[in-house]
Amino acid sequence: SQTIHQWPATLVQPVGSPLSLECTVEGTSNPNLYWYRQAAGRGLQLLFYSVGIGQISSEVPQNLSASRPQDRQFILSSKKLLLSDSGFYLCAWTLEGVAQYFGPGTRLLVL
Amino acid sequence: AQSVAQPEDQVNVAEGNPLTVKCTYSVSGNPYLFWYVQYPNRGLQFLLKYITGDNLVKGSYGFEAEFNKSQTSFHLKKPSALVSDSALYFCAVRVLYGNNRLAFGKGNQVVVIP
Repeated sequence: SQTIHQWPATLVQPVGSPLSLECTVEGTSNPNLYWYRQAAGRGLQLLFYSVGIGQISSEVPQNLSASRPQDRQFILSSKKLLLSDSGFYLCAWTLEGVAQYFGPGTRLLVL
Repeated sequence: AQSVAQPEDQVNVAEGNPLTVKCTYSVSGNPYLFWYVQYPNRGLQFLLKYITGDNLVKGSYGFEAEFNKSQTSFHLKKPSALVSDSALYFCAVRVLYGNNRLAFGKGNQVVVIP
């Protein structure tokens, strides 16, 4: 069966510091991968998606970036965090015709 | 553009009563529709999907949803709500030609009152 992991679970970072959040999927090959941000108040915002190694599509211009160095690894990064980057970050995967399946999320607080 | 709307912010229901969470969609072509549930500080959990076939779709935890093409709706239902069903519920539609991207509704907070 497939499993998706995210770490860390919680992160507190100062403004201007770098960020690296990691997502890995087990039990599947060549999935589509997604990064979402959920701000307080519930709405989900798609940040990036990837259909293969090294292929990244950005949905919203911002100071975040994403990379997919391996088939089942998806990384969200920032060189300098802003206060507005605080939120709940969710990674998800899917295959054609199947629902997206979400990881447990990372709670990021930028102070 | 493909989209879904969840018209209510919060749904309150007494334990044991039927639960309905509303969702309407706007798509070109045949819709792929989904329901997810989110508990506090957790990721979204997949409940059920409609792609084709029977209009009544059964999912996890006793939930079901009815696809209604004439009303462009995909309401989530449960015959008898439990306190543990209190959570945030999201409706979503697949964005066609978009690499399986999903467009999510704003979410509905469900509160089941003991």
